[in-house]
Amino acid sequence: GAVVSQHPSRVICKSGTSVKIECRSLDFQATTMFWYRQFPKQSLMLMATSNEGSKATYEQGVEKDKFLINHASLTLSTLTVTSAHPEDSSFYICSARKGAQNTGELFFGEGSRLTVL
Amino acid sequence: QKEVEQNSGPLSVPEGAIASLNCTYSDRVSQSFFWYRQYSGKSPELIMSIYSNGDKEDGRFTAQLNKASQYVSLLIRDSQPSDSATYLCAVNERGNNRLAFGKGNQVVVIP
Repeated sequence: GAVVSQHPSRVICKSGTSVKIECRSLDFQATTMFWYRQFPKQSLMLMATSNEGSKATYEQGVEKDKFLINHASLTLSTLTVTSAHPEDSSFYICSARKGAQNTGELFFGEGSRLTVL
Repeated sequence: QKEVEQNSGPLSVPEGAIASLNCTYSDRVSQSFFWYRQYSGKSPELIMSIYSNGDKEDGRFTAQLNKASQYVSLLIRDSQPSDSATYLCAVNERGNNRLAFGKGNQVVVIP
């Protein structure tokens, strides 16, 4: 299957700092990438859709100024958690879809576990 | 009605048995359907995709799609302890590039 790589896999930071997570599609180009968040024992929650060359589309209730998304190229999207607080501690997972818009398979990165102290 | 529903609670199956997971969806025009496996603490991994009515087999996994009844199922034959995970059903959302996910079913294979 296609490969989506995410970095870092684990990060611990102090409250108030910003954390950047990178998501790369290694063997295909992705005009769209998706960012999810998952709390322990809960389902995936879509945060935003990252669009190459344009603004991200955020889901209701997700603060765009807190979760900055940049999709600078067809293989790279970044999520920056600004001024992180303990309640932002979660498992962040990116994904990218390979192939046609309505039928392509969605592949996930390894995930980034953020712990804010 | 939620877009994608996986209603069953945790499923315990003995090693070697068949695990059966069901998923229903609300959008009649959905075109693509996926099953993901997620181990605890890990990200989801695609295990099956299906687009046409009928069965699709890949190793010990079989996906079954019935568009008229709006359900998609996953069978795991000869279940192994390594199959113990949460299985997520996903359906393409109408008119966009996103997938709608079910809440998942936990499978526990008992040696």
